[in-house]
Amino acid sequence: GIQVEQSPPDLILQEGANSTLRCNFSDSVNNLQWFHQNPWGQLINLFYIPSGTKQNGRLSATTVATERYSLLYISSSQTTDSGVYFCAVGKDYKLSFGAGTTVTVRA
Amino acid sequence: DVKVTQSSRYLVKRTGEKVFLECVQDMDHENMFWYRQDPGLGLRLIYFSYDVKMKEKGDIPEGYSVSREKKERFSLILESASTNQTSMYLCASGTGGGSPLHFGNGTRLTVT
Repeated sequence: GIQVEQSPPDLILQEGANSTLRCNFSDSVNNLQWFHQNPWGQLINLFYIPSGTKQNGRLSATTVATERYSLLYISSSQTTDSGVYFCAVGKDYKLSFGAGTTVTVRA
Repeated sequence: DVKVTQSSRYLVKRTGEKVFLECVQDMDHENMFWYRQDPGLGLRLIYFSYDVKMKEKGDIPEGYSVSREKKERFSLILESASTNQTSMYLCASGTGGGSPLHFGNGTRLTVT
């Protein structure tokens, strides 16, 4: 199956800081999604982004499919951004998930 | 907003019991999925269904079966629960091909 590597595994931020999360994958894909899992376990879809750049408020994502990586940017972080961020990649509807990046935002 | 509802938030069962986990989505999605999430192992796909009565094995189907009799409902069945099936189970749905996946709140199953 497709290998998915996320970095860094853990990130501690001061409120208001910016950060970049990375997702590398081992094969060509036509489906890439970013999720946020909040401290209560709920997984929220942030972006469906197999290529290109998207922005949603303070979050944005860029996928360079030809180089097999995607980046998630968090700007002006808030305590509510804490949780685990997952990258999931695949072909069509079968996704493989990375191990996640645990983000802690301190007030 | 898409709503994916899992019938139980917490469940405690005994070894050898038959366990049913239910999932309902309200957006007429063709595809439905069952994942389990374990610390250090991330999310792993158990089964998915791309249409009523259609199913395909995911990466870890052993010990599980599924049922999809209606488009909105996808059930995960543990025929004889074992302690190594203690986990968080997550149901998801989406439209055909590549499209955003939407998850339910999860069911934390403990098998004793």
